[in-house]
Amino acid sequence: NAGVTQTPKFQVLKTGQSMTLQCAQDMNHEYMSWYRQDPGMGLRLIHYSVGAGITDQGEVPNGYNVSRSTTEDFPLRLLSAAPSQTSVYFCASSRTGFEQYFGPGTRLTVT
Amino acid sequence: AQTVTQSQPEMSVQEAETVTLSCTYDTSESDYYLFWYKQPPSRQMILVIRQEAYKQQNATENRFSVNFQKAAKSFSLKISDSQLGDAAMYFCAYRSAQETSGSRLTFGEGTQLTVNP
Repeated sequence: NAGVTQTPKFQVLKTGQSMTLQCAQDMNHEYMSWYRQDPGMGLRLIHYSVGAGITDQGEVPNGYNVSRSTTEDFPLRLLSAAPSQTSVYFCASSRTGFEQYFGPGTRLTVT
Repeated sequence: AQTVTQSQPEMSVQEAETVTLSCTYDTSESDYYLFWYKQPPSRQMILVIRQEAYKQQNATENRFSVNFQKAAKSFSLKISDSQLGDAAMYFCAYRSAQETSGSRLTFGEGTQLTVNP
């Protein structure tokens, strides 16, 4: 049982490039979420999903896209990277929505 | 929209002493959940303790306890017998009890706790 896994751990992009941050969980959790963490601001919700095929926007969705074709995977796509998207990204999953399990995070730098 | 505020960016405590981290929140909902998460330098988010708003009794987990004041919208974390391993960033978080909200959390800004030997 690997829990929540995220790849890559680190990534450097140039402005305008696109990429996908991967998130997978093997706990059969219905709820999955993406957060970004910036200094002094805590974690902010980007997008979330309450089940396969169902996604919704969080607090800071602009510039990001998600899809949930399976229960296990919830990838986050950066459409055209900008320096303002430099951050640490966390994926989380939950069975009931009560206790969330977080992945180890991806540190993204956009130059 | 709900907001969570942690007014102490940094706190320090001597090993074996007790420290209290503050958190206030704003919501119009009557049913919700509150959490404290710990983030050590490894960056991993670790759930420390949780509280259901409908429960009057304060949650306790070993050396960690909360003081939940619903009317005042206050949710402080008390760490007793502080240990060096408690040094971390601590986040207070809010989650609505509404099913349609999924598992979305609203976080405070965090409090960096230093434990001095």
